[in-house]
Amino acid sequence: ETGVTQTPRHLVMGMTNKKSLKCEQHLGHNAMYWYKQSAKKPLELMFVYNFKEQTENNSVPSRFSPECPNSSHLFLHLHTLQPEDSALYLCASSQEVASGAETQYFGPGTRLLVL
Amino acid sequence: KQEVTQIPAALSVPEGENLVLNCSFTDSAIYNLQWFRQDPGKGLTSLLLIQSSQREQTSGRLNASLDKSSGRSTLYIAASQPGDSATYLCAVLDSNYQLIWGAGTKLIIKP
Repeated sequence: ETGVTQTPRHLVMGMTNKKSLKCEQHLGHNAMYWYKQSAKKPLELMFVYNFKEQTENNSVPSRFSPECPNSSHLFLHLHTLQPEDSALYLCASSQEVASGAETQYFGPGTRLLVL
Repeated sequence: KQEVTQIPAALSVPEGENLVLNCSFTDSAIYNLQWFRQDPGKGLTSLLLIQSSQREQTSGRLNASLDKSSGRSTLYIAASQPGDSATYLCAVLDSNYQLIWGAGTKLIIKP
């Protein structure tokens, strides 16, 4: 257990559905991240929040909408997704963003399949 | 633009062997380099973090080296065990404090 939990662990949705992914960290960290991991490709950073403020949006399509109500919780709202959005979505946290001395702690991920 | 490459993409070795995984990066302006492990159905676990000013880090049977000038890092695993089977990911923290990732090396240790 890394102290970062994600729900649901698996999700199947149609292209017209709306769903949300949830991430919670119990580490007292101030930074939280969403990553996308597609088969045999490097992890792609999607969004970064530092002290509840979004500091990074790596050209992510608007059908992905993040929400960070507090430093412990992070959501990813999904709507009108495409089949190519099927992937493992990983949440991570760290003490803060601008630190070269500390690592990130990852949740187990949500395996998403878009039909 | 920083790019991280890991070679080989997959590796299968008998139990007990020592092995080396390779990671290369194109831009030496990094804050640190990190090695992670990913098991099927699970998230990533940090193994070693090497600061840009350091040359190596050790943890148990794992030793990671960093040669920033040549843009290379190696992860050495001594006396491999079946429990070491996993995908190993290398990532560098770039000048924007973002982790840039390699695609990973899938390691299988045969009993």
